[in-house]
Amino acid sequence: GAVVSQHPSRVICKSGTSVKIECRSLDFQATTMFWYRQFPKQSLMLMATSNEGSKATYEQGVEKDKFLINHASLTLSTLTVTSAHPEDSSFYICSATRTGSTGELFFGEGSRLTVL
Amino acid sequence: AQSVAQPEDQVNVAEGNPLTVKCTYSVSGNPYLFWYVQYPNRGLQFLLKYITGDNLVKGSYGFEAEFNKSQTSFHLKKPSALVSDSALYFCAVRAYNTNAGKSTFGDGTTLTVKP
Repeated sequence: GAVVSQHPSRVICKSGTSVKIECRSLDFQATTMFWYRQFPKQSLMLMATSNEGSKATYEQGVEKDKFLINHASLTLSTLTVTSAHPEDSSFYICSATRTGSTGELFFGEGSRLTVL
Repeated sequence: AQSVAQPEDQVNVAEGNPLTVKCTYSVSGNPYLFWYVQYPNRGLQFLLKYITGDNLVKGSYGFEAEFNKSQTSFHLKKPSALVSDSALYFCAVRAYNTNAGKSTFGDGTTLTVKP
């Protein structure tokens, strides 16, 4: 199957700082990637769709100025949590689909963000 | 609007016994259905999918699922559970003409297989 790598797996930061999470498709090109947030014992909440070479599409209720998404190449999307607050602490997961596939998602390993 | 229901938060089975994790869905038009598994502090891994064709689909690690259109169900099954199958399982659905990112996930079912 396709491989999606996410980094870092764990990050701890202070309130007010910014944190960048990277999502890479290692063996395929991904024109579209997706970012999710997962709370403990809950399902995935789609935050935004990252489009290579264009602006991300954010889901309703997600602050685009707080969660900056950049998809600069066909294999890399980044999520930057700006001015982090403790309530931003969560598990963030990215995913991608292969061009021409019938839609199964390939997920990164996830990033556990803790804001102190 | 599409939706997925996983009616059981928790399923417990003994090793070697068959397991079933239930999923029902609601979607306009033909569904694409998926099962994913998540181990603690990890991302989700794709298990299997139903797109079209045979209602019984086989996937990774010996899992299978049966698409039942009349009951709008897509239950995940395995004939003989292993302790290593213990994990969180998500069912997902999307309509055939929608973006993959618009997949709707169920709330997940925690499977515990006891030795």
